[in-house]
Amino acid sequence: KAGVTQTPRYLIKTRGQQVTLSCSPISGHRSVSWYQQTPGQGLQFLFEYFSETQRNKGNFPGRFSGRQFSNSRSEMNVSTLELGDSALYLCASSFSGAPSYEQYFGPGTRLTVT
Amino acid sequence: AQSVAQPEDQVNVAEGNPLTVKCTYSVSGNPYLFWYVQYPNRGLQFLLKYITGDNLVKGSYGFEAEFNKSQTSFHLKKPSALVSDSALYFCAVFSGSARQLTFGSGTQLTVLP
Repeated sequence: KAGVTQTPRYLIKTRGQQVTLSCSPISGHRSVSWYQQTPGQGLQFLFEYFSETQRNKGNFPGRFSGRQFSNSRSEMNVSTLELGDSALYLCASSFSGAPSYEQYFGPGTRLTVT
Repeated sequence: AQSVAQPEDQVNVAEGNPLTVKCTYSVSGNPYLFWYVQYPNRGLQFLLKYITGDNLVKGSYGFEAEFNKSQTSFHLKKPSALVSDSALYFCAVFSGSARQLTFGSGTQLTVLP
């Protein structure tokens, strides 16, 4: 079974631009969660989608948004990029999002904002 | 609010010796606890989880973890460390009410040959 894939793996943007990151979950998984990883703040939860609906959202500004498609693939978008948005963005998929099902992580997208 | 503490940023251990990576948690209700490992330039890999049942949980690559409810701890252990175990280890708790994984700050494990 193929794992979670994320594209692109690396991205360089300038302040003020917007960016879209993509995540393809493991086949059969319907829950997709996004996390931001930085050296200073560690791993922080952004949001979770299940069956095309956002079920939960972390404490991030509205510049961070996402969506999920009918095939469970998910995208996240960051608008008006700031230097502090430089991070590794990780996507994780799970069968249902319930705690009894562990989350499987993709390799991440490394975003650098200059 | 739920939280996870990993009190040690760095743990060094000699190859062949037992290793312990510490984790304590705070959550309302029943805790669902996880350990993940991250290798350089890679995503997180699932090691093991505690949902309910036996307090000693066995996972991948010879790792195990002991759930202690009274001490609110979930320490990761391995009887004999390998150099290849060197990586960044994260403890996480899932709260049913919050419906999200909350991670600890991570512990860098270095196994010395």
